[in-house]
Amino acid sequence: GAVVSQHPSWVICKSGTSVKIECRSLDFQATTMFWYRQFPKQSLMLMATSNEGSKATYEQGVEKDKFLINHASLTLSTLTVTSAHPEDSSFYICSARDLRDKYEQYFGPGTRLTVT
Amino acid sequence: GEDVEQSLFLSVREGDSSVINCTYTDSSSTYLYWYKQEPGAGLQLLTYIFSNMDMKQDQRLTVLLNKKDKHLSLRIADTQTGDSAIYFCAEMADTDKLIFGTGTRLQVFP
Repeated sequence: GAVVSQHPSWVICKSGTSVKIECRSLDFQATTMFWYRQFPKQSLMLMATSNEGSKATYEQGVEKDKFLINHASLTLSTLTVTSAHPEDSSFYICSARDLRDKYEQYFGPGTRLTVT
Repeated sequence: GEDVEQSLFLSVREGDSSVINCTYTDSSSTYLYWYKQEPGAGLQLLTYIFSNMDMKQDQRLTVLLNKKDKHLSLRIADTQTGDSAIYFCAEMADTDKLIFGTGTRLQVFP
C-alpha cells in the first residue's frame, strides 16, 4: 500500500511553454501533498505544501505565479511550471501524507524536466 | 533556522557495516527519518524514530539518536552492493514539514 505516482516521469519542453506534472496517491487519501525540487547531486528543497481544497503554501523564494499548484481532490495534486526556462530544468518530486498518519510521507518516483 | 548536515560520501566493502551520520539543529524535532534514493528515482522511507527514543532496530538497520548532541546515525549491517545509493536523513519539526539533510552517497565495493 501507500503508493504515490507521478506523471510524466520525464518531459522535455521548449522555453516559454508550460508543463503540468501530476501527483497521485493511488491507494490512500492525502489531505496534504508536498512538492520538492532536486538539483543534481543535491538535497531536496521543499517548494510548496498543497492542501486539498485550499491554496498552496509556498516556501520563501518560490514564485507562486510560476509554479502553479492545484490540489483539487484527495488523491491528485498538480504542479504547472509556467513559461519554463532552462534554469527550471530539474527533478521534481512530490510526496503525500496519509489522512490517518501525519508523521509519514510517501514519495513519488519523480519527474525529470528538461527545458531547451 | 533548521539545518541538517551529513557527510557527503562513504565507501565500504561488501559484508562490512556502514554507519551514516547526521546532525541537526532543531531541538523541537518530533520525528527523524532515513530515506534511500537510487539514481533517477524517488525516495524510499527506510525507517524513522520518534524523538523520545534513543534506538530503533529493524532487520539490518539500526538507528541511534543522541538528542542531547542532536546526532542521528544509521547503521547498515552486512552491507550489500544493492545498498549503494544516496541516504538522506530528515527531521520533522513542529511545522510538520520535512527538512532534508545534504545526503550521503554510499558506495559498496566487492
